[in-house]
Amino acid sequence: GEDVEQSLFLSVREGDSSVINCTYTDSSSTYLYWYKQEPGAGLQLLTYIFSNMDMKQDQRLTVLLNKKDKHLSLRIADTQTGDSAIYFCAESSRPPDLNGATNKLIFGTGTLLAVQP
Amino acid sequence: ETGVTQSPTHLIKTRGQQVTLRCSSQSGHNTVSWYQQALGQGPQFIFQYYREEKNGRGNFPPRFSGLQFPNYSSELNVNALELDDSALYLCASSLDGGPQHFGDGTRLSIL
Repeated sequence: GEDVEQSLFLSVREGDSSVINCTYTDSSSTYLYWYKQEPGAGLQLLTYIFSNMDMKQDQRLTVLLNKKDKHLSLRIADTQTGDSAIYFCAESSRPPDLNGATNKLIFGTGTLLAVQP
Repeated sequence: ETGVTQSPTHLIKTRGQQVTLRCSSQSGHNTVSWYQQALGQGPQFIFQYYREEKNGRGNFPPRFSGLQFPNYSSELNVNALELDDSALYLCASSLDGGPQHFGDGTRLSIL
């Protein structure tokens, strides 16, 4: 079955690094995403990684993928108060189908990141 | 480049009523997906439209329906509203197999 799990809460001090973890169960997952949701807003795509990659870095964000353990992490370097939000891990369980459309995203329940000044 | 826009932003309905939510996809995108996000939960997939055809459906009853227009904008219709339908409804657009970009959602409250 398809399931994505995340820890509920993470608290860090401003300037420290944050690491948000996620595990998934679907071994056919091919795309894994991180989204950020601020209060009262929609989801902002932060970054994504293909399942044939182990790591992706984008400015302050580093994504690590351990396919064997089905574990995904998001590291935020030099965490700022503006990074306080809920972070969702999501997996796309199948590659794009023959007509090219994106398949559904399966989301975790989200991790609330609180950054203390 | 215009992002994904949804309307209305907030809506209050009573049980048994019907509602239509609207989504304009990001410029150049041809796929729209709809998600329901209950309070404190992650979004749940409702269905997806690709070039005006339905391209998959989640575990939602038939009273949840939708369509996509030639300009790739989309509507979500919910009939016979129930209290449990109270949620944030999110629309996401993408181009073919690319990442999905979300709008700010419509907050639906059922009294």
